[in-house]
Amino acid sequence: GQQVQQSPASLVLQEGENAELQCNFSTSLNSMQWFYQRPEGSLVSLFYNPSGTKQSGRLTSTTVIKERRSSLHISSSQITDSGTYLCAMGDTNAYKVIFGKGTHLHVLP
Amino acid sequence: NAGVIQTPRHKVTGKGQEATLWCEPISGHSAVFWYRQTIVQGLEFLTYFRNQAPIDDSGMPKERFSAQMPNQSHSTLKIQSTQPQDSAVYLCASSLGLSGNTLYFGEGSRLIVV
Repeated sequence: GQQVQQSPASLVLQEGENAELQCNFSTSLNSMQWFYQRPEGSLVSLFYNPSGTKQSGRLTSTTVIKERRSSLHISSSQITDSGTYLCAMGDTNAYKVIFGKGTHLHVLP
Repeated sequence: NAGVIQTPRHKVTGKGQEATLWCEPISGHSAVFWYRQTIVQGLEFLTYFRNQAPIDDSGMPKERFSAQMPNQSHSTLKIQSTQPQDSAVYLCASSLGLSGNTLYFGEGSRLIVV
């Protein structure tokens, strides 16, 4: 079945450092999304990015479909970036969205 | 726009009792999804409705779990004879329902079965 693998599982940074989060998927996809889950549990959509590169502030998402991977780059990390980053792929029917297990990010002062 | 609303936010129930969770999607969204999140399994797809019709319930445990969407403004997830392993955060999401639309999640309902 469909699989979404995220790496690393956890990451600890000093404030100001950059981070590169990876997402690899096993089958063809129709959509790719990145979410941020706050420590208290709420989920926020960061990017809908099925292909190419998108940037929003200090965040950049790049999806390369033929290589079945997507990445999320966080530049100049801040303490408030701490939380869990989840990638999710939609299958060719698009409606069924499968999540990776996330990267748990801790940014230290 | 209040976003996706889920109630209750927290529920503690005794083993063997029934639990019903409610979701109000964003107005105008035709697709509603239910997910379950645990530390071990992460976010698991449970079921999906489009225009109130059940489309895919392949993630739903075959026994004790059921989901309905009686009208466009709310969906329910019912768990009968709850077991401790049902303890999780149950998340509801909605989208416009078109191919590739982003999901908007509610705050989740944390279910604890004791």
